[in-house]
Amino acid sequence: GENVEQHPSTLSVQEGDSAVIKCTYSDSASNYFPWYKQELGKGPQLIIDIRSNVGEKKDQRIAVTLNKTAKHFSLHITETQPEDSAVYFCAASRGQAGTALIFGKGTTLSVSS
Amino acid sequence: DAGVTQSPTHLIKTRGQQVTLRCSPISGHKSVSWYQQVLGQGPQFIFQYYEKEERGRGNFPDRFSARQFPNYSSELNVNALLLGDSALYLCASSRSDEQFFGPGTRLTVL
Repeated sequence: GENVEQHPSTLSVQEGDSAVIKCTYSDSASNYFPWYKQELGKGPQLIIDIRSNVGEKKDQRIAVTLNKTAKHFSLHITETQPEDSAVYFCAASRGQAGTALIFGKGTTLSVSS
Repeated sequence: DAGVTQSPTHLIKTRGQQVTLRCSPISGHKSVSWYQQVLGQGPQFIFQYYEKEERGRGNFPDRFSARQFPNYSSELNVNALLLGDSALYLCASSRSDEQFFGPGTRLTVL
C-alpha cells in the first residue's frame, strides 16, 4: 500500500524566513496531494493541494511543487509569520471514491519573532 | 457555511466499554470519512462512506464499525475498548477528492 514519508519532523525559522517541508510517496497511482495545517486542539485544515497533472501551484505565501517521476512533493511557505506555527501534514491518495488519504507523520513548524 | 461538526468533543470510557461518535458533514457533501489520530502521528484512515454505502476500509479490527444515514451524517462505533483506542477521532466530509475535517472527538480509555 501507499507510504508517505515527511521531513523534517521539526522546523524552526525566524519570522520572515522561508520554510520548506518535503514528502515522498510510494504508490505511483497516487494523483492527489493535499497539505493540511493542524493547530493545537483543532482538526486538520486543508491549506493547498495539487493534482498530478500540474507541477506547481501557488496561493499567496504558500506554494506546492510535485515531481511525479521522483515521487516527491514539497510545501513552500514564504515570509513566515508567527501564526504559521503549527503542525503540517502532507498526504497522498488515488483520488477515487473510497480511497483514503495517507498522511505523513507531520512537521512541527515554529516561527519566532 | 457551517463546517463539519462532531460530537461529543471529549469522551472518557473504561476498557471493555462501547462508544459512539457522531459527525455531520458540510451541507451538500455526500461522503464521510473517519480517521484515527494518535498523539504525534498523522491521521490514519478507518472508513469511508458515500451515499450510505461503505466505499473503503482501513486496517482496523472488526470492533470498529460505522454507518451513514439518509441525511449523510455518520456514526462511528467502537466496541470492547482497549487502552490503545485512546486517540483523536476525526471525521472528514467531501464532495470530490478534497476532504474537509471536523474538530474531532478526543477519546480517552482508562
